[in-house]
Amino acid sequence: QQQVKQSPQSLIVQKGGISIINCAYENTAFDYFPWYQQFPGKGPALLIAIRPDVSEKKEGRFTISFNKSAKQFSLHIMDSQPGDSATYFCAASDDGDKIIFGKGTRLHILP
Amino acid sequence: EAGVTQFPSHSVIEKGQTVTLRCDPISGHDNLYWYRRVMGKEIKFLLHFVKESKQDESGMPNNRFLAERTGGTYSTLKVQPAELEDSGVYFCASSHLGRGDEQYFGPGTRLTVT
Repeated sequence: QQQVKQSPQSLIVQKGGISIINCAYENTAFDYFPWYQQFPGKGPALLIAIRPDVSEKKEGRFTISFNKSAKQFSLHIMDSQPGDSATYFCAASDDGDKIIFGKGTRLHILP
Repeated sequence: EAGVTQFPSHSVIEKGQTVTLRCDPISGHDNLYWYRRVMGKEIKFLLHFVKESKQDESGMPNNRFLAERTGGTYSTLKVQPAELEDSGVYFCASSHLGRGDEQYFGPGTRLTVT
């Protein structure tokens, strides 16, 4: 059973547009929600993370929105750039060590 | 500062053979993790070391997998005997403090079992 569900599987966005990736979870014990960015040939790298005590966290062009009651969270990439083309993973954890990943979203930004 | 390194980057072996993957964490990181991504699936947690001790090995698929971290530095993950379903990318990650401290991932080892 998949604990973190991620959509869409792939996404194509025009340069300058907004990229939106959505995730949902079931386990209410999760209290740490990181997003990872992975480029080909590299391992995932932490992009931004949020705890459930806040509803939004912004770092530069990247924003996480968190809806605790709906058990959903999303990543918004503003002013998307070709360099943002990568695979993005949402994830969750209840102990900060064992990270549960979504299946990933392959994002392609058109120049 | 060097990142997490993994060796080999690729390995192709036949079913029934043995393969050993190695991970060198960032120097000073006590916490070391192994994950695996089978094609088309999510990245799955395998286990977590704190120094040389296994803190959580709940994700290890079966007893064909053996992870060690002697001396609390580098770690090895041995698969013996390998099966077709073991094919995938094996990632290692390390963190300094654990428990939500950032995990730094290595580039992964792509294992193909034929």
